[in-house]
Amino acid sequence: QTVVTQEPSLTVSPGGTVTLTCASSTGAVTSGYYPNWFQQKPGQPPRALIYSTSGKHSWTPARFSGSILGDKAALTLSGVQPEDEAEYYCLLYYGGAQRVFGGGTKLTVL
Amino acid sequence: EVQLVQSGAEVKKPGESLKISCKGSGYSFSNYWIAWVRQMPGKGLEWMGIIYPGDSDTRYSPSFQGQVTISADKSISTVSLQWSSLKASDTAMYYCTRYKEGGYNIEYWGQGTQVTVSS
Repeated sequence: QTVVTQEPSLTVSPGGTVTLTCASSTGAVTSGYYPNWFQQKPGQPPRALIYSTSGKHSWTPARFSGSILGDKAALTLSGVQPEDEAEYYCLLYYGGAQRVFGGGTKLTVL
Repeated sequence: EVQLVQSGAEVKKPGESLKISCKGSGYSFSNYWIAWVRQMPGKGLEWMGIIYPGDSDTRYSPSFQGQVTISADKSISTVSLQWSSLKASDTAMYYCTRYKEGGYNIEYWGQGTQVTVSS
């Protein structure tokens, strides 16, 4: 069974920079996995932030960016704001019906 | 404006059947893949399956194959998720999501439907 791994939790200071990663049990993550990133705040549905590794939706704040770092997909927040405190999930595409979410990273802004 | 509006919360008993829905508007409904995502209480997101309303091409995650049925009715721009016999472990929030063109990237989320299964 394919497992997608994210850091369970991270803490960042306001104004700081933090990178969240997304690893696959099958090996290196590439752009062919179409990494997606989502933000979810308590009591709300998730919101799409990043598609196809680094694409931004029209509503995605400029401080969010996506990339491939080494063998993982990555989401970097630069100039973190208090409102960025949330759970972040990545999603990888493995072909056909095989798409797997990571376990999520709880980001605390402190 | 693209909108995905899901049906309301449900409370059911084990063994009962259920169908929840997701109505799309603000775009050409037949031409975009829609997927369902489960979130159990206090847990992460799980990708369940996907359907292309244009031809009802449907694909299920191995974890959900045989457990649920996804269907689409183009005439009313609605995708549904159904169970024939609910279990307590089906208690969760269920989200529908619309993909961008091409079917690789999620763009929009519905507001979620809470399903509670309890005797």
